[in-house]
Amino acid sequence: DAGVTQSPTHLIKTRGQQVTLRCSPKSGHDTVSWYQQALGQGPQFIFQYYEEEERQRGNFPDRFSGHQFPNYSSELNVNALLLGDSALYLCASSPGPLSGELFFGEGSRLTVL
Amino acid sequence: GIQVEQSPPDLILQEGANSTLRCNFSDSVNNLQWFHQNPWGQLINLFYIPSGTKQNGRLSATTVATERYSLLYISSSQTTDSGVYFCAVRPYGGSQGNLIFGKGTKLSVKP
Repeated sequence: DAGVTQSPTHLIKTRGQQVTLRCSPKSGHDTVSWYQQALGQGPQFIFQYYEEEERQRGNFPDRFSGHQFPNYSSELNVNALLLGDSALYLCASSPGPLSGELFFGEGSRLTVL
Repeated sequence: GIQVEQSPPDLILQEGANSTLRCNFSDSVNNLQWFHQNPWGQLINLFYIPSGTKQNGRLSATTVATERYSLLYISSSQTTDSGVYFCAVRPYGGSQGNLIFGKGTKLSVKP
């Protein structure tokens, strides 16, 4: 049973660039959420996707956008990168938007120079 | 919004010792999960425990929802237990994806 998979594992970008991170949910899950974890902090909710729509959003600017595909996989896009966007980006999946245990992938570590 | 406080923030144990980690939350929740974050960053599910008591090997957890706290017990600790332990909750009315995390307890187990 495949768990949540994310790519790439690590990447380095420079200020002003754009980045796309990818996530495949756990088998049987149709809901994907994205989190940002800064060094030494707990993860913070960015947004959730269900049925290819953004269902809920945390306190993040519009530079952060996403997409969900018909196969339930998802992308997180960040435009106009800032140094402060350097973080571990975690994808989580669940069996529906309102219930069930949340499972996380290994994360994508983004460094912005 | 809901506040999640974990204690202690740091904990150093000798291998074989027992420990209790605490999570307090400021409002009613309908989901609570404990995670272990390994040195590579992955969040590993330990317990999905909105209420009651569960056990899994050397680990057990208890959530008293009416008093707004949860406890994670680690018995006979091993060096592989080192890492950061997070408590995360979903308040009533929130979507499942929107878990609110505490700041974590950093556990170091010495051989």
